[in-house]
Amino acid sequence: RKEVEQDPGPFNVPEGATVAFNCTYSNSASQSFFWYRQDCRKEPKLLMSVYSSGNEDGRFTAQLNRASQYISLLIRDSKLSDSATYLCVVNRSGYNKLIFGAGTRLAVHP
Amino acid sequence: GAGVSQSPSNKVTEKGKDVELRCDPISGHTALYWYRQSLGQGLEFLIYFQGNSAPDKSGLPSDRFSAERTGGSVSTLTIQRTQQEDSAVYLCASSPPLLAGTDTQYFGPGTRLTVL
Repeated sequence: RKEVEQDPGPFNVPEGATVAFNCTYSNSASQSFFWYRQDCRKEPKLLMSVYSSGNEDGRFTAQLNRASQYISLLIRDSKLSDSATYLCVVNRSGYNKLIFGAGTRLAVHP
Repeated sequence: GAGVSQSPSNKVTEKGKDVELRCDPISGHTALYWYRQSLGQGLEFLIYFQGNSAPDKSGLPSDRFSAERTGGSVSTLTIQRTQQEDSAVYLCASSPPLLAGTDTQYFGPGTRLTVL
């Protein structure tokens, strides 16, 4: 079983839709959590960190459920420019090696 | 400011040849990481350097892979006797000192390696 698992998608949604991605992680020692975005043939870029209390950045909301060991990302009012692969990433305290999920592909269409 | 840079951006080589990939981290970043990403796959950790500590080489797939970081800055990933399964995008990332309060990693644009 992979340490970080994501639904690969693709999620095909119309502009303006709300879409949610989930991710599960297997190592309970994981301490830091992130969502990265990767455009086709580009490097990953940090989208947002995920905090225990949940956090929001504009149209993006991230949630963490430690008990169930899953992380979610909600995108409201989807834009064409949101089309990308979204990578769920975890890091264990004192072990500064990011563990990446394989990514969830999002395609927003007009 | 300048981000992480990598060179070359593309490398095509023949099976059995050695290749060297270079990474220049963000100035002041003490940690440096190498990952690789095969087509349609997630990122696979290869090696991690933190300051003067011994590197974490746990992700290197075979002894054909090695990496150095000279002077705590530039790093070189070397693949000896390349095989076709080594074809991938090799990504380098760096992050600030741990005391900076963040472990965010910043990625370079990658080197796309094709082994014929």
